[in-house]
Amino acid sequence: AQSVTQLDSQVPVFEEAPVELRCNYSSSVSVYLFWYVQYPNQGLQLLLKYLSGSTLVESINGFEAEFNKSQTSFHLRKPSVHISDTAEYFCATARSGNTGKLIFGQGTTLQVKP
Amino acid sequence: GAGVSQTPSNKVTEKGKYVELRCDPISGHTALYWYRQSLGQGPEFLIYFQGTGAADDSGLPNDRFFAVRPEGSVSTLKIQRTERGDSAVYLCASSLKGGTLAEQFFGPGTRLTVL
Repeated sequence: AQSVTQLDSQVPVFEEAPVELRCNYSSSVSVYLFWYVQYPNQGLQLLLKYLSGSTLVESINGFEAEFNKSQTSFHLRKPSVHISDTAEYFCATARSGNTGKLIFGQGTTLQVKP
Repeated sequence: GAGVSQTPSNKVTEKGKYVELRCDPISGHTALYWYRQSLGQGPEFLIYFQGTGAADDSGLPNDRFFAVRPEGSVSTLKIQRTERGDSAVYLCASSLKGGTLAEQFFGPGTRLTVL
């Protein structure tokens, strides 16, 4: 069975500092991996995704994640965070060739402090 | 805007009552998903519609939960004999054609509280 583990429930960080939000997945078959973000009082939004090809994927607002098959990880990183990055971040997986149903981790709250 | 909308935004009910939660997907999206998000947890898949039919209902927790999408657009999630454990945010998402490659767009959710 598929599962996703987000190792940190809360990550406090100062503005302009780097950040890494950790995500590990388990699956016996090929998977696709996603990061979703939920800003305060807003719905979930897709941040970035890995489907195939380059193992390093980037978002338009400076986040990146690297698919590491040997470590079954898909950690999310940003070299310098802004106050506006404060949000809940969810890692998710889906089986290739499936209906598209997503299996989510528990979420990580990123708190950016001035 | 033309995003996914859900009504009501909040629903408070008493244990044992029946509730209906509505989802309006993005126009033209054939795939519709329901998820449930309990406090402090990530969303949990409930059911997936492709058009009018439920293609995957493996996430429905028991027979008190039922969902319909009679015309392939609006969907209603129905919960009978509500229990306190049903309290959660119910999320709806739609995508253009379903499947893993199609991006899912999420609505703001309905917060259900069962007293």
